[in-house]
Amino acid sequence: QKEVEQNSGPLSVPEGAIASLNCTYSDRGSQSFFWYRQYSGKSPELIMFIYSNGDKEDGRFTAQLNKASQYVSLLIRDSQPSDSATYLCAGGGYSTLTFGKGTMLLVSP
Amino acid sequence: KAGVTQTPRYLIKTRGQQVTLSCSPISGHRSVSWYQQTPGQGLQFLFEYFSETQRNKGNFPGRFSGRQFSNSRSEMNVSTLELGDSALYLCASSPGSVVNNSPLHFGNGTRLTVT
Repeated sequence: QKEVEQNSGPLSVPEGAIASLNCTYSDRGSQSFFWYRQYSGKSPELIMFIYSNGDKEDGRFTAQLNKASQYVSLLIRDSQPSDSATYLCAGGGYSTLTFGKGTMLLVSP
Repeated sequence: KAGVTQTPRYLIKTRGQQVTLSCSPISGHRSVSWYQQTPGQGLQFLFEYFSETQRNKGNFPGRFSGRQFSNSRSEMNVSTLELGDSALYLCASSPGSVVNNSPLHFGNGTRLTVT
């Protein structure tokens, strides 16, 4: 059974710090990985996707993928209180997209 | 460009009834996926439709069904509702099939409460 695991948190960081969110997956066949942000009471919003090993940067966000270790991470630089949300990791690509249960991030001013 | 539209936003039903949820994808998107979200289980995949064909189905009972129309709009039906069906139902569209690494764009969801 395909699984995507995330620490539920909450992960608490002060404003301006780097937040590091991690995710592991069980299916070695997974080809694509996505990070979604979900504010309380809202629907998930796509932040980034990554297909290749290494780093991918987009503004304050950096996604990292290590297929050998089956590990995906999301770094948020200069964290802001508005980044406080649940971050969902998802993996897939040749079949369904499997989501982790999410990590709650709290950024304190 | 308009986003994914789901109707209705809220629904209250009683056990044993059936319900139909509707989803209009982003213009040009041919794939529609449905997910159930609950606090305990997170986001669980129901099914994906691409060009009116069901591409994949999750591990849900046959009471959950769906379809997609030629204009890519999709409906999901749940028959013989149970209390455990209370959840947020999310529809997501993508330009291509999820099978081809296409990212999902979610609608605002339909909050279903079964009493």
